[in-house]
Amino acid sequence: SQQGEEDPQALSIQEGENATMNCSYKTSINNLQWYRQNSGRGLVHLILIRSNEREKHSGRLRVTLDTSKKSSSLLITASRAADTASYFCATDWASGSRLTFGEGTQLTVNP
Amino acid sequence: DAGVTQSPTHLIKTRGQQVTLRCSPISGHKSVSWYQQVLGQGPQFIFQYYEKEERGRGNFPDRFSARQFPNYSSELNVNALLLGDSALYLCASSWLRVGNEQYFGPGTRLTVT
Repeated sequence: SQQGEEDPQALSIQEGENATMNCSYKTSINNLQWYRQNSGRGLVHLILIRSNEREKHSGRLRVTLDTSKKSSSLLITASRAADTASYFCATDWASGSRLTFGEGTQLTVNP
Repeated sequence: DAGVTQSPTHLIKTRGQQVTLRCSPISGHKSVSWYQQVLGQGPQFIFQYYEKEERGRGNFPDRFSARQFPNYSSELNVNALLLGDSALYLCASSWLRVGNEQYFGPGTRLTVT
């Protein structure tokens, strides 16, 4: 089964609103990464947060990590229609760079 | 700088055939990983190669094999194709073997009929 699980499965918001997606995982991790995917294309790397970090920012993105709860959240502020995509969390938990993905959150930002 | 490139973009094969997918990593990246993404699901790890050696293998049958060349490019081979092998095959490259960002290519869409 997948290591990570995203919540919600689907999210629909208006442009300008904030979008929050959550990810839970099961085992200890080295790091957790968030990716965006548009319409079945390749994955775009958004941000990596290491197990000893609690929060990271990149532009309009804010990621938090709570290793005690084995959970992470991705916040997109001031969303735009171009943010419409599937968002995946992926955990790096093995000795190699083996990412385990959840099933993703489908975000729709309405103009 | 060019990102990860994959070829071909799309491929249609019939059951029982064999297929080879190709990946060129970002310049300077020594690790290449392969993932399979079935429609509606997240990607699943197939292989990791680092410095031309297999460093990890996911839960896929022996019909799946891969290799990495001296220039760090990689090929994924799938033999005796099944309908269930229809998926988007993604290649990712990274600088190190462990613990860093992976950068994905656009993928190869394989359809098995």
